[in-house]
Amino acid sequence: KQEVTQIPAALSVPEGENLVLNCSFTDSAIYNLQWFRQDPGKGLTSLLLIQSSQREQTSGRLNASLDKSSGRSTLYIAASQPGDSATYLCAVSGTYKYIFGTGTRLKVLA
Amino acid sequence: DAGVIQSPRHEVTEMGQEVTLRCKPISGHNSLFWYRQTMMRGLELLIYFNNNVPIDDSGMPEDRFSAKMPNASFSTLKIQPSEPRDSAVYFCASSLLTSGTYSYNEQFFGPGTRLTVL
Repeated sequence: KQEVTQIPAALSVPEGENLVLNCSFTDSAIYNLQWFRQDPGKGLTSLLLIQSSQREQTSGRLNASLDKSSGRSTLYIAASQPGDSATYLCAVSGTYKYIFGTGTRLKVLA
Repeated sequence: DAGVIQSPRHEVTEMGQEVTLRCKPISGHNSLFWYRQTMMRGLELLIYFNNNVPIDDSGMPEDRFSAKMPNASFSTLKIQPSEPRDSAVYFCASSLLTSGTYSYNEQFFGPGTRLTVL
């Protein structure tokens, strides 16, 4: 059974810092991995999708990497801003469905 | 595209009442997911449909929950009778399943329905 873990559960950093969020999964037989952002009281917004054949994806200040063999993905946020404060969730796709991690709650201090 | 549309956005009801949540997926997507999110359990997949057919409903908590997808542009999640422990945010999401590879493209979420059962 696939299990997805995100560490740390919460993170507080000063504005401008570069930071890394981690996502681990137990079954490497995945089709893709998706990173989401969730603001309080809101839905999930897709940030990046990495197909299983890819190693990384970039969008603006965000870079996500995928290492299937070790069951790990990282989301790198460059030059963090207070507007980046949110909960970040990763989800891995096996056959037919996604399994979500419990998320990392990020707070960027001005 | 308007994205995934859910209604109502908020629902407050009394224990024992029937609740119906509605979802309109993104046009052209062939897969639809219903999730429930609570502080205690996080995001849980309840049921997913592919081409309007329920593929896996193993996440549906009990017989009080039912879901239908009568056509490609509409789905409902019904709770009857509702209980206080059903209070949560219910999300609908849609995606495009690529045939052959069984690989999903991006999954897009609706804004959610916040359900409170008193």
